[in-house]
Amino acid sequence: AQKITQTQPGMFVQEKEAVTLDCTYDTSDPSYGLFWYKQPSSGEMIFLIYQGSYDQQNATEGRYSLNFQKARKSANLVISASQLGDSAMYFCAMRDAGGNDYKLSFGAGTTVTVRA
Amino acid sequence: DADVTQTPRNRITKTGKRIMLECSQTKGHDRMYWYRQDPGLGLRLIYYSFDVKDINKGEISDGYSVSRQAQAKFSLSLESAIPNQTALYFCATSFSGGSTDTQYFGPGTRLTVL
Repeated sequence: AQKITQTQPGMFVQEKEAVTLDCTYDTSDPSYGLFWYKQPSSGEMIFLIYQGSYDQQNATEGRYSLNFQKARKSANLVISASQLGDSAMYFCAMRDAGGNDYKLSFGAGTTVTVRA
Repeated sequence: DADVTQTPRNRITKTGKRIMLECSQTKGHDRMYWYRQDPGLGLRLIYYSFDVKDINKGEISDGYSVSRQAQAKFSLSLESAIPNQTALYFCATSFSGGSTDTQYFGPGTRLTVL
């Protein structure tokens, strides 16, 4: 069963504007972690931000923030003040303890293109 | 800088050849992982290792094998490469003692099997 769903294959955003990338997840484990990674055209995977299931506040890292809505099982990434260098593919991922494997499950990704 | 490195970065090979992809890390992490990425599919876990004596299959381990030679080294082998193993391969590491177990990725190896 699909654990992570990213419904937006591609998005365009104007430079200096904010963009929200959607991510919904599915787990029955009360303890889990949610991650966002960025993959620029050069190919590397860059860790951006983490949200734990028990964290009371939404995670923030510089221009990145995570809109965590636990009851809806959503963990949307917000990039504020977009820059040309933000053009990349973004992956949402979840780690839960299902089967005690602690595996990281990835969504299919969202491509963001920032326009000047 | 503490880092995750992968060799080779690019490789073209022929069907039936044995290929080894290597991963080294200077982060001092205990956990290491191998993923493959195919267009439109995100990343899928091939194998993972929580310490030198612990090796586990991921969701797509058929056709692959691994070796954890030391805490800092984790290699992936394709015993007899086939064209549908053409993909971008990532090694990742994480630290079990941290609060988040965040995985940090190497730069990737682009493998083409002809």
